[in-house]
Amino acid sequence: AQSVAQPEDQVNVAEGNPLTVKCTYSVSGNPYLFWYVQYPNRGLQFLLKYITGDNLVKGSYGFEAEFNKSQTSFHLKKPSALVSDSALYFCAVRGGNTGKLIFGQGTTLQVKP
Amino acid sequence: SQTIHQWPATLVQPVGSPLSLECTVEGTSNPNLYWYRQAAGRGLQLLFYSVGIGQISSEVPQNLSASRPQDRQFILSSKKLLLSDSGFYLCASSPGRTEQYFGPGTRLTVT
Repeated sequence: AQSVAQPEDQVNVAEGNPLTVKCTYSVSGNPYLFWYVQYPNRGLQFLLKYITGDNLVKGSYGFEAEFNKSQTSFHLKKPSALVSDSALYFCAVRGGNTGKLIFGQGTTLQVKP
Repeated sequence: SQTIHQWPATLVQPVGSPLSLECTVEGTSNPNLYWYRQAAGRGLQLLFYSVGIGQISSEVPQNLSASRPQDRQFILSSKKLLLSDSGFYLCASSPGRTEQYFGPGTRLTVT
């Protein structure tokens, strides 16, 4: 069965420092992987996706993610964190041909000035 | 690009009352549509999805139902709300069957 794990409930980082939000997955076949961000009382915003190709995927707001097939990971990264990046981040994997997404439990990112 | 509308934005309803939440999509055609519920600001639970008009698949048995009367309209309903139905309801659209795009959500409080 397909699954996604986000091992950290919360990540704390100082503004200007690099950030990493971790995600590991389990799928049969080639994975379609996604990252979303959610601000309080808002819908999820799509950040980036990996379908095929280059293992380093660039997305919105300066975020990028690195696909690692051997480690079955898809970690979200940003070279320099902003206070405004503080939010809830979700990793997801596509399950099946209906386009259903399986989401991780989310990681709260707290960027302190 | 597509835009997803949800209304109402917030709703307070007594236990046992009916529910109707609406989602409409602009800027695309024949998308896959999804209803999620998010409790306590964390994980997302997929409730229903639809691959076309009148085609609804239920993921979790409960007192909710969904309908898709038009290509870009998706409705979530209940005949009698329970306290456990409280939560943040999100509609999503997937025009290309890969990433999903989410609406702004409806905050439902059942009292």
